[in-house]
Amino acid sequence: QKEVEQNSGPLSVPEGAIASLNCTYSDRGSQSFFWYRQYSGKSPELIMSIYSNGDKEDGRFTAQLNKASQYVSLLIRDSQPSDSATYLCAVEAGGFKTIFGAGTRLFVKA
Amino acid sequence: GAVVSQHPSRVICKSGTSVKIECRSLDFQATTMFWYRQFPKQSLMLMATSNEGSKATYEQGVEKDKFLINHASLTLSTLTVTSAHPEDSSFYICSAREDSGQYQPQHFGDGTRLSIL
Repeated sequence: QKEVEQNSGPLSVPEGAIASLNCTYSDRGSQSFFWYRQYSGKSPELIMSIYSNGDKEDGRFTAQLNKASQYVSLLIRDSQPSDSATYLCAVEAGGFKTIFGAGTRLFVKA
Repeated sequence: GAVVSQHPSRVICKSGTSVKIECRSLDFQATTMFWYRQFPKQSLMLMATSNEGSKATYEQGVEKDKFLINHASLTLSTLTVTSAHPEDSSFYICSAREDSGQYQPQHFGDGTRLSIL
């Protein structure tokens, strides 16, 4: 069974620090990887997509992909209290289905 | 960016009522849409994959006759919770995926909070 694993947290970081969120996946054939942010009581929103090995930066967010290690991560620089949310890692599983991790809860302390 | 509209945002109704939730892709075509359910402090759970013009594909353990899905056009999918009971109370979220190209992400609607009394 294809799986996506995340540490449930909570991950607590001080304001201004770098938050590092990690994800591993089981399907070596996966080609597409996504990070979503979900605030409490709200639906997920897409924040990053990554398809190639290496880093992809968008503002304060950097996604990192290592297909050989089946590992994808999200770095949030200059973390703000408003970044406090659950972050979902999602991996394309083929056949238009996406497998979501259970999410990592992030708390940014002011 | 891709926008998915979901209505209603909240429903409160009596046990035994059937409830219809709509999911629309506003600025893109979506042959495939997805329906999720999420209980408080739990993960997203995929209920079914909605396919335009054909029957939905349900995940194991999800009752087809209880959760009716219709995907009649490239921009609209509906989920009907039939004869809802208190245990059906949950946060229901739809998502849609653009047809253009491979590897497109899913875009989520705002969700529907269903409360059955």
